[in-house]
Amino acid sequence: GQQLNQSPQSMFIQEGEDVSMNCTSSSIFNTWLWYKQDPGEGPVLLIALYKAGELTSNGRLTAQFGTTRKDSFLNISASIPSDVGIYFCAGQLDGSARQLTFGSGTQLTVLP
Amino acid sequence: EAQVTQNPRYLITVTGKKLTVTCSQNMNHEYMSWYRQDPGLGLRQIYYSMNVEVTDKGDVPEGYKVSRKEKRNFPLILESPSPNQTSLYFCASSRFGALAKNIQYFGAGTRLSVL
Repeated sequence: GQQLNQSPQSMFIQEGEDVSMNCTSSSIFNTWLWYKQDPGEGPVLLIALYKAGELTSNGRLTAQFGTTRKDSFLNISASIPSDVGIYFCAGQLDGSARQLTFGSGTQLTVLP
Repeated sequence: EAQVTQNPRYLITVTGKKLTVTCSQNMNHEYMSWYRQDPGLGLRQIYYSMNVEVTDKGDVPEGYKVSRKEKRNFPLILESPSPNQTSLYFCASSRFGALAKNIQYFGAGTRLSVL
């Protein structure tokens, strides 16, 4: 099946710094999604992208759907302690099957 | 409140003892799915269901069964659990249809240990 390469695997940053993470795929996706997982909880959707080149913001978060449809990035500006968690990208190829392929996650730690 | 509810949240069992993890959603979603999460591997889909009595295999279905007798419930069944099924399991649901966005809502997870 499709594979997503998500990087970096982990990040340690100072509070207030900006963060960038990305996902690349060997296949084209029609939809890119970014989720955040807090400890002991299930993933929660942050941003959904549906068109190549689309740039979408959600507060301090900005994500883009790459023009080749094989990549996406997520930026977090001015990080705060509650940004700590695991961030997952997910791609979907076929809308009718609703199957998502997930990246392996980026563990973000924000240091005070 | 819109919810996907999984039970139990934590489970320790022994090899070969059949178990069921329940999943229920109150959003009248057509689509439901089970994932397992393992370190360094992200979430991998086990089974999914597009509606009542319609189920299909995901990427890692071996050793698991599911059923969808009612729209709101989608239990995951391990007939004979083995240690390699020790994992964190998530149930998810979403609307289905041409106009529906691909937004899956996840349960809080079930941490299973098979000894």
